[in-house]
Formats: sequence, structure tokens, C-alpha cells
Amino acid sequence: EVQLVESGGGFVQSGGSLRLSCAASGFTFSSHWMHWVRQAPGKGLVWVSRMNSDGSTTEYADSVKGRFTISRDNAKNTLYLQMNSLRVEDTAVYYCVKMVYCSGDCYDRAFDYWGQGTLVTVSS
Amino acid sequence: DIVVTQSPDSLAVSLGERATINCKSSQSVLYSSNKKDYLAWYQQKPGQPPKLLIHWASTRQSGVPDRFTGSGSGTDFTLTISSLQAEDVAVYYCQHYYGTPYTFGQGTNLEIK
Repeated sequence: EVQLVESGGGFVQSGGSLRLSCAASGFTFSSHWMHWVRQAPGKGLVWVSRMNSDGSTTEYADSVKGRFTISRDNAKNTLYLQMNSLRVEDTAVYYCVKMVYCSGDCYDRAFDYWGQGTLVTVSS
Repeated sequence: DIVVTQSPDSLAVSLGERATINCKSSQSVLYSSNKKDYLAWYQQKPGQPPKLLIHWASTRQSGVPDRFTGSGSGTDFTLTISSLQAEDVAVYYCQHYYGTPYTFGQGTNLEIK
């Protein structure tokens, strides 16, 4: 059974930092692109970042570029999101998301598994 | 960036009746080399993460009941629930994955009439 378990959320003041973790199990973590998606309270879904299977490729939404860093440790089956210079508008539930498997020259697929999410609250 | 717009924002349908949700992208998400539409539908129930229902615009994810059907191509897509069940009450999102940034529609809140 695929499991994605996020941790590291919490309450932080504007300008502060947090590091989110996502422990993955039930699938070959090192073979999959992984993403972070966030959802502000009562709002819709917003894609944040992605990383390819070996960690050599990363992409970010413009709203977090230069402030957030995605990384992974395939030996530990764990995905990370380092969030610096946090703003009030970063307040959201952050979901760790597994992309449907694709191999070779393949970059884009739907999201087949989501974690339960971890809440990040940034206060002014 | 591709903008994805859903309609309606909310919908109330009687049990056993058909529910239809529309999704429009600001540019085509049909990839010419493989003839696939890079469009997915998700269901999100209160307090839960989203669940993948449909990808490639019309391919039902494993385990999803066959009352859920995705259709359309290019820029216009539809999610149809053929006979609404009580457990289908949720917010539904469409999403394109035709290159980053992936974007989602604003969501459609589906309720029982």
C-alpha cells in the first residue's frame, strides 16, 4: 500500500523558515517524480514544486522560486521542502504527491497518490 | 501559464440524477506526438486529500466507479457522474499537466439537492 506521510508543519512568524518532510513507502520511491502541492484554508489547489527521480531536475512555482528548495534522499525514501523567507500568503496545507510512473523521456503525468498534508501557518 | 476554469462553481443534484462539471483550459493540452490530453480530474472530500479519478482526460483510475466518466479534448472537458450517490458529495477539481506550472481549476462544490 502506497503511503506518503508529511511532517514538519507548524506555526512560524513571517520571514521564518520551516522544513517539511515526506516519508514514502509502498512503492519504489527512487523511480518516481515527486511534487509538493499546497492548499490555503478554504481555497483551491496550487502546485508548488517537483523533483525528478534522481534529484537532478527541480522546478518551482514563481510564487516560491528563490525561497523554497525541494530535495530528496532516495536511501531514506524521503522528500523534503525547505521553506525560507516565509510569508503570510504561504499559509496552507502542504501535500506531498506522487506522480504516475513514467520512464525514459517523460516529464508530465497526473498525481495518483497524495499524503494527508501538513499545515503551515505563517503569522505577521 | 495555462489557466484552467471550471463551471459551475457549485452544483446541487438529486440522488440518482446526472451531474456534469465542465473544465476549460486557456490553451490546448493535447500533445500532438502521442495524441493524449494532459488533463486530470480529482475528488476532494472534507478533511481529506484529493483523489485521482480520471487522467488522460478519459481514463478512469483503478478502483474508480464506472459512474464517473471523463470526456473532451483540446481545451474543453467534462466530468459526468451518471447517477449521483450520497458518497459523491465533494469538491471536484480539474488539472492540466501539460508542462509546469501545473494548474488546477477553482473547484466545483457538488451537493445533494
